[in-house]
Amino acid sequence: KAGVTQTPRYLIKTRGQQVTLSCSPISGHRSVSWYQQTPGQGLQFLFEYFSETQRNKGNFPGRFSGRQFSNSRSEMNVSTLELGDSALYLCASSFYPGASTDTQYFGPGTRLTVL
Amino acid sequence: GQQLNQSPQSMFIQEGEDVSMNCTSSSIFNTWLWYKQDPGEGPVLLIALYKAGELTSNGRLTAQFGITRKDSFLNISASIPSDVGIYFCAGPSGNTGKLIFGQGTTLQVKP
Repeated sequence: KAGVTQTPRYLIKTRGQQVTLSCSPISGHRSVSWYQQTPGQGLQFLFEYFSETQRNKGNFPGRFSGRQFSNSRSEMNVSTLELGDSALYLCASSFYPGASTDTQYFGPGTRLTVL
Repeated sequence: GQQLNQSPQSMFIQEGEDVSMNCTSSSIFNTWLWYKQDPGEGPVLLIALYKAGELTSNGRLTAQFGITRKDSFLNISASIPSDVGIYFCAGPSGNTGKLIFGQGTTLQVKP
């Protein structure tokens, strides 16, 4: 069974640009969550999608947005990039968030560098 | 908000030694997850714990769900060089897909 895939793996952008990252969950998983990982802040939750609906959102500015498609694939978008947006962006998928035995599996991440 | 305090922050040990790390919280978690992350990669799930008091093994790894539901422990026996990496504890925030992560324990193993 294929794991969570994320594209692209690496991305270099300049300040003010926008970027779109993609995540394909494990087959059968309907929930996708996104996290930002930086050396200073660790792993921080961005948002969670289930059945094309955003269920939860972390404490990030409106420049960060996402969506989920009917096949459970998800994209996240960051507009007007800032230097501080440089990070490893991780996607995780699971069957059903909130279930007592639900477990999230992570993709390899997209390394975004903003110059 | 919910926080997970993980310790120690880093460990440097000799190959063959046993390792122990723990995670504590001021609030109750219904699930405890332990992940390992290699440089430049995403976290890989090592062990998932779903019941208070549960003790689960995965090869040389053993983890326990504290009976108070406010802590968890991960032990690695007979460490080897490929155990090097960052180990994270994590738990879901309420009945959501939002995971709260500890700060991580960086493990280095000297051959």
